[in-house]
Amino acid sequence: GAGVSQSPSNKVTEKGKDVELRCDPISGHTALYWYRQSLGQGLEFLIYFQGNSAPDKSGLPSDRFSAERTGGSVSTLTIQRTQQEDSAVYLCASSLILAGGLYEQFFGPGTRLTVL
Amino acid sequence: LAKTTQPISMDSYEGQEVNITCSHNNIATNDYITWYQQFPSQGPRFIIQGYKTKVTNEVASLFIPADRKSSTLSLPRVSLSDTAVYYCLVGDGGDTGRRALTFGSGTRLQVQP
Repeated sequence: GAGVSQSPSNKVTEKGKDVELRCDPISGHTALYWYRQSLGQGLEFLIYFQGNSAPDKSGLPSDRFSAERTGGSVSTLTIQRTQQEDSAVYLCASSLILAGGLYEQFFGPGTRLTVL
Repeated sequence: LAKTTQPISMDSYEGQEVNITCSHNNIATNDYITWYQQFPSQGPRFIIQGYKTKVTNEVASLFIPADRKSSTLSLPRVSLSDTAVYYCLVGDGGDTGRRALTFGSGTRLQVQP
């Protein structure tokens, strides 16, 4: 079956431009996560969607970052007025929430964003 | 958020058992402990998850003491293909609509022939 897909795989943009990153989760997965990973660093949680609940936006680094999830499926992460420090790999993951709270996150290949 | 601490790097040889410990002193009651493996230019991949005591699957074991303030990932008989970064994740396992997720900084495991 298809895994989590992300597009584009690479994005080069100029400082100050807006970018949109797309995530297609595994069909039927109710939870969706966005992370950011700078070169050689660990994963930084950005935002979490679960079903119809209000998203957990506690990890978004500034108000230039926003995300939405349409129809409980596809998600778009938008970064406005990009800065050079936004350069990183943006990873999306989806999961089912299983009985007892156990869950496994399935990660996409990521979008490598480079801000010049 | 539960903060996690892991060794930055570890070295081993093929065939040895590797134990990677993660500290999570302020783990919450609802938090589960999950370990992921990441190869270069790929997203992380789930290895194992547990809440307490010991969990074992076909690739690893996870040991969690009674106080749950740490956990140890055990990889039996590592091979060169186990060279990767290993992340400890502590997160709320409840379906509360709010998920506090903290990945550790990761442990870079290098397996030598």
